[in-house]
Amino acid sequence: EAQVTQNPRYLITVTGKKLTVTCSQNMNHEYMSWYRQDPGLGLRQIYYSMNVEVTDKGDVPEGYKVSRKEKRNFPLILESPSPNQTSLYFCASRLADIVGDTQYFGPGTRLTVL
Amino acid sequence: QQQVKQSPQSLIVQKGGISIINCAYENTAFDYFPWYQQFPGKGPALLIAIRPDVSEKKEGRFTISFNKSAKQFSLHIMDSQPGDSATYFCAVLTTSGTYKYIFGTGTRLKVLA
Repeated sequence: EAQVTQNPRYLITVTGKKLTVTCSQNMNHEYMSWYRQDPGLGLRQIYYSMNVEVTDKGDVPEGYKVSRKEKRNFPLILESPSPNQTSLYFCASRLADIVGDTQYFGPGTRLTVL
Repeated sequence: QQQVKQSPQSLIVQKGGISIINCAYENTAFDYFPWYQQFPGKGPALLIAIRPDVSEKKEGRFTISFNKSAKQFSLHIMDSQPGDSATYFCAVLTTSGTYKYIFGTGTRLKVLA
């Protein structure tokens, strides 16, 4: 089954404790993104990657890091989480820069930073 | 930051009624206008999408109406069902540079049985 998986699904942590949210896709997609979803703000892009070793900032990159060492994986790293990073996070992937290409989302990771 | 304005924020419709969600955008340089449906505890999933050279697209009970001159597009759900209760996001795709989706703020739809 074609899918995007994320782990963990739920995470409660404390300020300053480094964490990583994993993302993996099995569709051989080139393009992967991380979004955060907040009430009243919709989905905002954090970082994206066009291919292995190629990443760039989205609209809200502060406090986040990413890496793309393998095509299928795109982990999101919070090196020193703060309460304002409490949010619902989604990883997404799509094949390439093609108009009409479908973007597939993972099931989400709900993060609470105390 | 280019923006997409979505309304209403929430919507309650009786079963069998028509649900209408609207989006307006600020820039004409967008090439694709998808709608996503998100159920609680799930990620958004593509519902229906339209390109700017078409004024309307229908798939089953779901229709997108697109008004390029007014920079607006809307989602119509005909014969709304309780199973349609979800959050709906509109989005626009910009293709200047790396392709990027910009999302609306979401509409929470509840269809009463």
